Amino acid sequence: SYVLTQAPSVSVAPRQTATITCGGDDIGRKSVHWYQQKPGQAPMVVVYDDTARPSGIPERFSGSNSGNTAILTISRVEAGDEADYYCQVQEVFGGGTKLTVL
Amino acid sequence: QVQLVESGGGVVQPGGSLRLSCAASGFRFSDHGMHWVRQAPGKGLEWVAVIWYDGNNKYYADSVKGRFTISRDNVNSRLYLEMNSLRVDDTALYYCARVRGISTGWADYWGQGTLVTVPS
Repeated sequence: SYVLTQAPSVSVAPRQTATITCGGDDIGRKSVHWYQQKPGQAPMVVVYDDTARPSGIPERFSGSNSGNTAILTISRVEAGDEADYYCQVQEVFGGGTKLTVL
Repeated sequence: QVQLVESGGGVVQPGGSLRLSCAASGFRFSDHGMHWVRQAPGKGLEWVAVIWYDGNNKYYADSVKGRFTISRDNVNSRLYLEMNSLRVDDTALYYCARVRGISTGWADYWGQGTLVTVPS
């Protein structure tokens, strides 16, 4: 079955840029979706179909996808962005990346 | 507004059975595929099953295939997950989630989950 690989954790200072990666075989040919999950809450999509943003999600959240790596980029990181982030391809989730805001 | 409310979780002994339910409201239920996704305590998300809008297509994770059955009642806007032969590693918070389209894909709305505990 298809495997998605995420780094367990990423740390970034406020107002800096966070980069969260999702690796998969030829993932660039697939649609990737990204979810944010804060403690005690259900996941919420922040990027879908590689680059699209649902209404209400700040422009600071953006996605890209090419080759074997999809990327979620969070610009001008805020304390409120601290959460777990999961990528999804079809019916597979990555293991998740915990974003810590220093 | 869109609401998904799961119920039916609880403590069940290994080998036992449980039926989860998800009550949907605020949208036309029959226009959307639906997922079950679970999350073991302190762990990541694991997709469990998906059912297409009309109930005619169902797909399962290998870890639950043959033990779990997903179904839906489009008249009453309900999603179900019948779980049999439960194992300790089925312990998790089970979410129902609405697919953006009629089949499968990303989930645009999630419930708050119902907890299933299978003690060792």
